[in-house]
Amino acid sequence: EAQVTQNPRYLITVTGKKLTVTCSQNMNHEYMSWYRQDPGLGLRQIYYSMNVEVTDKGDVPEGYKVSRKEKRNFPLILESPSPNQTSLYFCASSFRGEYNEQFFGPGTRLTVL
Amino acid sequence: RKEVEQDPGPFNVPEGATVAFNCTYSNSASQSFFWYRQDCRKEPKLLMSVYSSGNEDGRFTAQLNRASQYISLLIRDSKLSDSATYLCVDTNAGKSTFGDGTTLTVKP
Repeated sequence: EAQVTQNPRYLITVTGKKLTVTCSQNMNHEYMSWYRQDPGLGLRQIYYSMNVEVTDKGDVPEGYKVSRKEKRNFPLILESPSPNQTSLYFCASSFRGEYNEQFFGPGTRLTVL
Repeated sequence: RKEVEQDPGPFNVPEGATVAFNCTYSNSASQSFFWYRQDCRKEPKLLMSVYSSGNEDGRFTAQLNRASQYISLLIRDSKLSDSATYLCVDTNAGKSTFGDGTTLTVKP
């Protein structure tokens, strides 16, 4: 089944404790992206990747890191999480990014205490 | 001013009604536009791509007006199952900007 998977789905952590949210797609998509969604707001793009080893900042990259060493994986790293990073995170992928539909993962609910 | 602005919601309509959402964008270089549907903070799913010539899919019609920089979504004969949040997005060179979403509730 074609899909985007994210792990963990739910995470409660404490300020300053490094964490990684994994994202993997099995559709051989070139483009992957991370978003966060906060109550009453749409999705805001954190980082995106047009292909392996190519990453770019979105609108809200501060406090996050990403890497794209393999086509299928695009992990999101929070080196020192803070409470303002409490949010719902979505990973997405698409064939090329510009003109193609994005497929979203199920989301990761992160709480930073 | 936000780069992508949507009609403020919520929209509460009876079954069978026709409802229209608008979305304006500020980046004239934006290349592609989409409407997504999101249920109860689950993952967004594509509803429609938006083409310059306009496109229709059953009860749904999407339009793009580049001169005025807005896109629209028309839903005819609303069903209870159309209740959701609708998100517009514009994409330019990999950067995707979503609107805040418009919530639609269709009532019996």
